[in-house]
Amino acid sequence: KQEVTQIPAALSVPEGENLVLNCSFTDSAIYNLQWFRQDPGKGLTSLLLIQSSQREQTSGRLNASLDKSSGRSTLYIAASQPGDSATYLCAVGVYALNFGKGTSLLVTP
Amino acid sequence: DAGVIQSPRHEVTEMGQEVTLRCKPISGHDYLFWYRQTMMRGLELLIYFNNNVPIDDSGMPEDRFSAKMPNASFSTLKIQPSEPRDSAVYFCASGTSSSYNEQFFGPGTRLTVL
Repeated sequence: KQEVTQIPAALSVPEGENLVLNCSFTDSAIYNLQWFRQDPGKGLTSLLLIQSSQREQTSGRLNASLDKSSGRSTLYIAASQPGDSATYLCAVGVYALNFGKGTSLLVTP
Repeated sequence: DAGVIQSPRHEVTEMGQEVTLRCKPISGHDYLFWYRQTMMRGLELLIYFNNNVPIDDSGMPEDRFSAKMPNASFSTLKIQPSEPRDSAVYFCASGTSSSYNEQFFGPGTRLTVL
């Protein structure tokens, strides 16, 4: 069974800092990897999708990388803002997704 | 375009009652997924459909849970009888193979079983 781990579980940074969230998975036979954002009491918002044949994807201040051989992905957030405060979830799978427990991010003004 | 629509958004019921959760996927999507989120276990897949056909229901916890997709625009998740341990947020998501199955989630249904 695919196991997905996210480190750290929680992170607090001052506004303006660049930061990296980590995700590791045990089975490299994945179809894609998806990063989500979840605000308290809300649903999941898709941030980035990396296909298994790709190495990275970028959207605005977000950059996600994928290294299947080592079973790792990172989400890089540049110039963090208080509005980035949320829980970030990593998920991998072929069709259905296996989720990590998430990293709870707090960006302080 | 409307996203994934779920109803109700909140449901409070008593143990033993039947609960039905509803989902309308994004038009044109051929995959539909039901997930459950709890503090202890995080997000877990319950079942998913492709072209209205159930493909993998190995995550359905017990026979008390059942899911149907009678057509491409509607799915239900039913719990009968409900138990307090079923309290969770239930999410529906949809995706399409033509977009590498990127999944889009609904707002969820928060279920409380007393």
